[in-house]
Amino acid sequence: AQSVTQLGSHVSVSEGALVLLRCNYSSSVPPYLFWYVQYPNQGLQLLLKYTTGATLVKGINGFEAEFKKSETSFHLTKPSAHMSDAAEYFCAVSDRNNAGNMLTFGGGTRLMAKP
Amino acid sequence: GAVVSQHPSRVICKSGTSVKIECRSLDFQATTMFWYRQFPKQSLMLMATSNEGSKATYEQGVEKDKFLINHASLTLSTLTVTSAHPEDSSFYICSARRGEQAHPEAFFGQGTRLTVV
Repeated sequence: AQSVTQLGSHVSVSEGALVLLRCNYSSSVPPYLFWYVQYPNQGLQLLLKYTTGATLVKGINGFEAEFKKSETSFHLTKPSAHMSDAAEYFCAVSDRNNAGNMLTFGGGTRLMAKP
Repeated sequence: GAVVSQHPSRVICKSGTSVKIECRSLDFQATTMFWYRQFPKQSLMLMATSNEGSKATYEQGVEKDKFLINHASLTLSTLTVTSAHPEDSSFYICSARRGEQAHPEAFFGQGTRLTVV
């Protein structure tokens, strides 16, 4: 069974500061990895994904994440936070052997940006 | 990217009535769709997996007679909350996946805020 742990349910950063949202997973084989963002009263929007190849992946809105197999981690970063980055962020994994299978989500991290 | 459309975005209904929520994949065929429920400030809770042409698979603790799922075509799944009660008030989200190895991500609808009064 797969599981996802997001360390820190709330993260507060100053505008312009580095954003780091942590995600660790548990899986028997390296899964597909995703980061989604959710704004209030909206669905989830894909930020980025790791499937294969380069372990540092770049996504929308200046976010990137690095897959580290040895650490079973997929932390999300952004060099400089913007007020508009305030939202809920979810890390998710899915079984690599079944692309149609459900995603397993972490508990989410609420990012707050202060001026 | 692929688009999943969910309707309505908000609905208020009286206790005891039923509410239908639609989830459509607009530019791809989805043999499988997923229905989630999200409580305030919490993660998504998978309710059921909707399979085109067959019965939905419900997660443990989810009442199948309460939450009726119909996946009649490759682009449409519906969730009907029957005899709604205030405790059914929540944010419901659907998602679909292409099922392709090159595109394993899930695409989400906009969500439906259900309020039962």
